[in-house]
Amino acid sequence: DGGITQSPKYLFRKEGQNVTLSCEQNLNHDAMYWYRQDPGQGLRLIYYSQIVNDFQKGDIAEGYSVSREKKESFPLTVTSAQKNPTAFYLCASSDRAGGLADTQYFGPGTRLTVL
Amino acid sequence: AQSVTQPDIHITVSEGASLELRCNYSYGATPYLFWYVQSPGQGLQLLLKYFSGDTLVQGIKGFEAEFKRSQSSFNLRKPSVHWSDAAEYFCAVAGGDGNKLVFGAGTILRVKS
Repeated sequence: DGGITQSPKYLFRKEGQNVTLSCEQNLNHDAMYWYRQDPGQGLRLIYYSQIVNDFQKGDIAEGYSVSREKKESFPLTVTSAQKNPTAFYLCASSDRAGGLADTQYFGPGTRLTVL
Repeated sequence: AQSVTQPDIHITVSEGASLELRCNYSYGATPYLFWYVQSPGQGLQLLLKYFSGDTLVQGIKGFEAEFKRSQSSFNLRKPSVHWSDAAEYFCAVAGGDGNKLVFGAGTILRVKS
């Protein structure tokens, strides 16, 4: 089945540690996105990538980093510089980079909790 | 910059009753509008989208939405709600660099039997 997978589903981290969230898609989509979701705030864009080896900052990129070495993979690293990392993280992909009408398909999410 | 407002944080309806979830957007050009649904602890599923043509859009699960440019609205409707419709609903507008989606804060729908 085609889709987006995110792992792990739940992740716990101690303060001061970096942690990497995985996102893989087998939809052959060009564009991939990372969103952060907090209660009552909707989703906010962290980073996005329209093509392999290229990515851009979203609205809340501080304290996060990404890479896009393969078309199907877009891992997100939450660094110790992120002041309040506890949140639900959602990865998405869409078929054509820059296509405004293109649907973004979402993965099941990773819930990160900082202890 | 584009923005989306969902005025209702929570809505409770009785099973079988009709439903309307409100969405207002701000965007300078022709908007590309979406409604997504999220069950607790899950990802988002697309219900429907509008980008041109008929202003009344049909989606999955019996949902529809109407685009009204004069009111900058894109309200989601369903004639008869089922208990399984209980979830959080997000309106979003696309625009700007990289097919960026801007989401509203969401509306939590509760269905009472």
